[in-house]
Order: sequence, then C-alpha cells, then structure tokens
Amino acid sequence: DIQMTQSPSSLSASVGERVTITCRASQSVNSFLSWYQQKPGIAPKLLIYEASNLQSGVPSRFSGSGSGTDFTLTITGLQPEDFATFYCQQNYIAPLTFGGGTKVEIK
Amino acid sequence: EVQLVESGGGLVTPGRSLRLSCAASGFKFDEFAMHWVRQAPGKGLEWVSSISWNSGRIDYADSVKGRFTISRDNAKRSLYLQMDSLRLDDTAFYYCAKVHLPGGSGSYLLPFDAWGQGILVAVSS
Repeated sequence: DIQMTQSPSSLSASVGERVTITCRASQSVNSFLSWYQQKPGIAPKLLIYEASNLQSGVPSRFSGSGSGTDFTLTITGLQPEDFATFYCQQNYIAPLTFGGGTKVEIK
Repeated sequence: EVQLVESGGGLVTPGRSLRLSCAASGFKFDEFAMHWVRQAPGKGLEWVSSISWNSGRIDYADSVKGRFTISRDNAKRSLYLQMDSLRLDDTAFYYCAKVHLPGGSGSYLLPFDAWGQGILVAVSS
C-alpha cells in the first residue's frame, strides 16, 4: 500500500498569511493526488485534484503543486473560513490512501 | 443538486452485523463509481471500499476485507455496505462518496467531489 505522510500535523496561522502544507507518498503516484478540506462535523470537501487542478467553486487562493512523491497545498491569504483540517489522498492505485491530516488553527 | 444520504447506522455489539445504505440523487448514479470512507471519532479519513459503475470492479481496505461487502442497485440509485463481524475498531462515521467524473475503469479511482453527511456506526459491548 502507498503511505501518505503530511506535514506538519498542525499549524497556527493568522488571517492573511500564506500557508503551505506538504504531502509525501511512499512511492510515485504520478500526479494522481487530491486535497480535501474538512471542518468539524462536516464531510470533507474536494479542493484540488490531479495535484494542481482547482475544483469548481473553490477560491483561487488555494493552489496545489508537485508530482511523483512530493506535493504541496498552498493557501495564499488565509481567510477566517479556511481554518479546518486538510487531507491529501492518492488516486493512483487501490487501496486509496489518505494522509494523516493537517489542522490549521487560528493564531 | 447532488445529494447523498446515508442511513442504517447505529449501536451494535461486537460480532453483530449492520447494513448501511446511501441514497443518491441529482446525478446519473449508474455512470459513477462510488466509495465508502470512514472516520473514527477525532481521527483521520480511512478509505473502506469502492465499486465501479457496473459493479464490475470492487476493492476493499485490508482492515475490512472478508467482513464487509459493498454493492449497488442502479435502478434504485442506491449504494450499500454490508458490515459483518463488526469489531470495536469499526466504530466510526461512515461516508458514501461519488467520484468526480463518470466513466469506465479509468474513473474508478478518481477523487470524490460529493459526500454524504455521514452516519455513525458505534460498536460497543
């Protein structure tokens, strides 16, 4: 199985800051990497697919990059509604696997 | 509007069975692969099982293989998860989810663009 490792596991940031979250796969997943946002008590929401493609309706302050084993989710200009937990997921091969999550909290 | 609504959760004792259902609306259900994902309280996301649009391909996480069975009824626009021999560590919120593009085998592992609200399965003695 492909292991997905996210870092950091949590971070504190202020509104307006630039935030970067990384995700590393234990083997290449090509560009088949997605990012999700989850707020407490609510189902996850797809933000980015195929490493860098913005899902319809997602604000442009979210962006993704990377290929192979190393990927990055960047939030440029953090907004109050962005405080949540973010997960990466590889869509390259079954079993599909998620990263452990990164909780973004208010500083 | 795409809607996925799970039902069938609840409290069960270890070793018992439970069947989850997911009712779909707002999209052509019979064209999309579907998935089950679970989340133990306060923990991360764990993929559980997948089924292709025509049930021709099915996969399970090792943690549930041999105990859980995924199925779908395209005529009823419904997805199911039969959970047998439930264990304490199966306790979680269970979500059904659809992939973001229709199609055949190439779409099977696509990202999930719609999720149900989640339903709690609690296994306790």
